Amino acid sequence: QITLKESGPTLVKPTQTLTLTCTFSGFSLVTRGVGVGWIRQPPGKALEWLALIHWNDDKRYSPSLKSRLTITKDTSKNQVVLKMTNMDPVDTATYYCAHSRLPFFLANWGQGTLVTVSS
Amino acid sequence: QTVVTQEPSFSVSPGGTVTLTCGLSSGSVSTNYYPSWYQQRPGQAPRTLFYNTNSRSSGVPDRFSGSILGNKAALTITGAQADDESDYYCVLFVDSGLVFGGGTTLTVL
Repeated sequence: QITLKESGPTLVKPTQTLTLTCTFSGFSLVTRGVGVGWIRQPPGKALEWLALIHWNDDKRYSPSLKSRLTITKDTSKNQVVLKMTNMDPVDTATYYCAHSRLPFFLANWGQGTLVTVSS
Repeated sequence: QTVVTQEPSFSVSPGGTVTLTCGLSSGSVSTNYYPSWYQQRPGQAPRTLFYNTNSRSSGVPDRFSGSILGNKAALTITGAQADDESDYYCVLFVDSGLVFGGGTTLTVL
């Protein structure tokens, strides 16, 4: 059974850096074709893809947020970390991590974690 | 920047058939974009319905189907049930990344 769980702060101040961790089980990030992605959803709005890291350490970012995002993996801990710099109130959202598989889709999702940006 | 388009809302009667579409602001959607579909009920995480255009995820009822119709990806629900009332999102693989559509809110009444 595949599970993913997001963890991190629920409240960050504007200009701070957000660090979120996705801890997963039931799959390995060394398996060819496997990846972990991050997606967010502002309250009442649509889902937005942020970043994706593949088994071979290939990393992809949303073009509109690329300058603010860093995604890394720790295969020994079954974790993927997303950092987002210079947080702003418009970044308030539920952040999801998801298990990705070829051909390029999000197969399993975490429950999400709500991050509020406020001073 | 690529924009993926979906109908903002749709309504269907119980037992009816509805087709939700997923297009591109410029150009046609083909299987080369590996369209996938996700269902999200209020307050819940998304659930994967289809990938690679028409490959059904485990546990998805066969009243749901995925396809390419004309120049768009499509999600069809045949025999809609009250439980199908949700937001539906399509995702396309574009330039080595993923792009979500704006989502369609489906009402069953």
